[in-house]
Amino acid sequence: EIVLTQSPGTLSLSPGERATLSCRASQSVSSSYVAWYQQKPAQAPRLLIYGASSRATGIPDRFSGSGSGTDFTLTISRLEPEDFAVYYCQQYSSSPPWTFGQGTKVEIK
Amino acid sequence: QVQLQQSGPGLVEPSQTLSVTCAISGDSVSNKNAAWNWIRQSPSRGLEWLGRTYYRSKWYNDYAASVKGRITINADTSKNQFSLQLNSVTPEDTAVYYCAGAGVGATPVYWGQGTLVTVSS
Repeated sequence: EIVLTQSPGTLSLSPGERATLSCRASQSVSSSYVAWYQQKPAQAPRLLIYGASSRATGIPDRFSGSGSGTDFTLTISRLEPEDFAVYYCQQYSSSPPWTFGQGTKVEIK
Repeated sequence: QVQLQQSGPGLVEPSQTLSVTCAISGDSVSNKNAAWNWIRQSPSRGLEWLGRTYYRSKWYNDYAASVKGRITINADTSKNQFSLQLNSVTPEDTAVYYCAGAGVGATPVYWGQGTLVTVSS
């Protein structure tokens, strides 16, 4: 099973600042199978990025994903008030199990 | 627009069976380009994929090792829904359970609203 480790655990930033979130895999993951989700309290996760760098439908272009192999990054170029939430990376390779990182909380500084 | 509506009891006694159902609108549970998943979330285990069912001329299932032997995911084509059954539950199975739909080789885009299931006597 592929273990995903996200860092930092919490990111304290102000609106307008840039957020950089990291996700490291215990073994190489095909870039085609890395996703990022946003989750707000009492809501289901919302898909932001799939295939490591493709934005899901309706996702603003301030969200971008990059990376390959074992290191992946989600960048939010300029934080909007609605972006403060918890973010999860996920690998969904063709053979399950799918696994998720433990999450990074982006909070208002 | 695909929508997933979950239903099921919020409280289950230890050693009993947890059951949650997910009704699909805007797509078909038999869609050969889709897979229907169950994922749970708890403070101790985080987000945990439990399993999936999908139809490719016949029905297939994949299950996580952590729950294999206790889990069954079934599709009901007459009601266009799929269900999760988890047997012999313990308090460690207390979590919010989500159903989620994905395309072939894709990660879930569509999620149900979540069902908090508490295992307690």
